[in-house]
Amino acid sequence: EAEVAQSPRYKITEKSQAVAFWCDPISGHATLYWYRQILGQGPELLVQFQDESVVDDSQLPKDRFSAERLKGVDSTLKIQPAELGDSAMYLCASSLAAVGQPQHFGDGTRLSIL
Amino acid sequence: EDQVTQSPEALRLQEGESSSLNCSYTVSGLRGLFWYRQDPGKGPEFLFTLYSAGEEKEKERLKATLTKKESFLHITAPKPEDSATYLCAVIGNFNKFYFGSGTKLNVKP
Repeated sequence: EAEVAQSPRYKITEKSQAVAFWCDPISGHATLYWYRQILGQGPELLVQFQDESVVDDSQLPKDRFSAERLKGVDSTLKIQPAELGDSAMYLCASSLAAVGQPQHFGDGTRLSIL
Repeated sequence: EDQVTQSPEALRLQEGESSSLNCSYTVSGLRGLFWYRQDPGKGPEFLFTLYSAGEEKEKERLKATLTKKESFLHITAPKPEDSATYLCAVIGNFNKFYFGSGTKLNVKP
């Protein structure tokens, strides 16, 4: 079964540094999502793409976070500068359509800020 | 405001002891309710989609049901490998996914 690929799996960095995460969705999936998940909580949506366009980034801290999906396929999420409170799991998901279709998740990037 | 509440937060069962997990929701115009399984250090794994009240889906020892206010995930004769966190999510008229905080299930042999 096709999977959502994410890298790196783990990232440890110091506060104030820049960090980037990469996601390659399932082939043919037009909708791509980035989530943040804190231990013991459900995933929280950061940004949603339809092809290369952002359709929802209302929960993205835009002063330090940015996301792009230039060719409508793979995507990058960046944090600059990182803060201690950014330590979390960052999950990428994709779906065939934005409405009514299940999202399929990658295994995430575990970020630790020292 | 759209909201999802899961209960209990944690559940410990003996192997073979059947039980149910609850997902209560408030959403403007339900367009889908989704159940996921999440193992430690992994991303959520899709289990079921339910679209309308009265709908049921089954997979091995799991059965999901849906009413107008809540969904249940019934686990029949669980095994230790069923231990995981089970997440519920809904999507409504505003086309946003809302996840609950999950139920952490531990099945003892």
